[in-house]
Amino acid sequence: GAGVSQSPSNKVTEKGKDVELRCDPISGHTALYWYRQSLGQGLEFLIYFQGNSAPDKSGLPSDRFSAERTGGSVSTLTIQRTQQEDSAVYLCASSLGLAGGGLKETQYFGPGTRLLVL
Amino acid sequence: AQRVTQPEKLLSVFKGAPVELKCNYSYSGSPELFWYVQYSRQRLQLLLRHISRESIKGFTADLNKGETSFHLKKPFAQEEDSAMYYCALRTSGTYKYIFGTGTRLKVLA
Repeated sequence: GAGVSQSPSNKVTEKGKDVELRCDPISGHTALYWYRQSLGQGLEFLIYFQGNSAPDKSGLPSDRFSAERTGGSVSTLTIQRTQQEDSAVYLCASSLGLAGGGLKETQYFGPGTRLLVL
Repeated sequence: AQRVTQPEKLLSVFKGAPVELKCNYSYSGSPELFWYVQYSRQRLQLLLRHISRESIKGFTADLNKGETSFHLKKPFAQEEDSAMYYCALRTSGTYKYIFGTGTRLKVLA
């Protein structure tokens, strides 16, 4: 079946503008994750959704970052008033989670959105 | 606080040589540990998980709770092993993952 998809694949924006990044998880996956991948920082956890529970936002670096997940499926990550330090690859992943991952629980990653803030 | 440490940013070895990518973790609960790999121009993907005690592509990793380590090993490196490797910890009772900063492995001909 189709894997995790993300759009856009690349985004160039000017400092101060808002951007929205989209993630389409694998159908049936209840868990959805956003990470930021940058040189020297590795894979930085941003936010995690599990079913209808309140998301774990503990990794969001500032209040300029927010994310939502509508209908338990598609998610958007919004960065307001972008700064140059926001430039990175933003990765989305999904997993079965409470839908029965258990010992087979595996995260499936999307191709990422490369964000460049000028 | 939970933390995953990968002390080496870059590891270069010659083809056929043994390779060990280090991973140490800090977590007060019972950890689940994973290795993820990202080959050039490919998506990040699961390589192996400690609970399965499996060998994937010749790689193995043993959880050492005493040393809080989960090092990835392969006896004979191949050029196709060149990639970025991430160690990850999943906190018990949730599906939240903490990743290390990654180690880039270069296998030289």
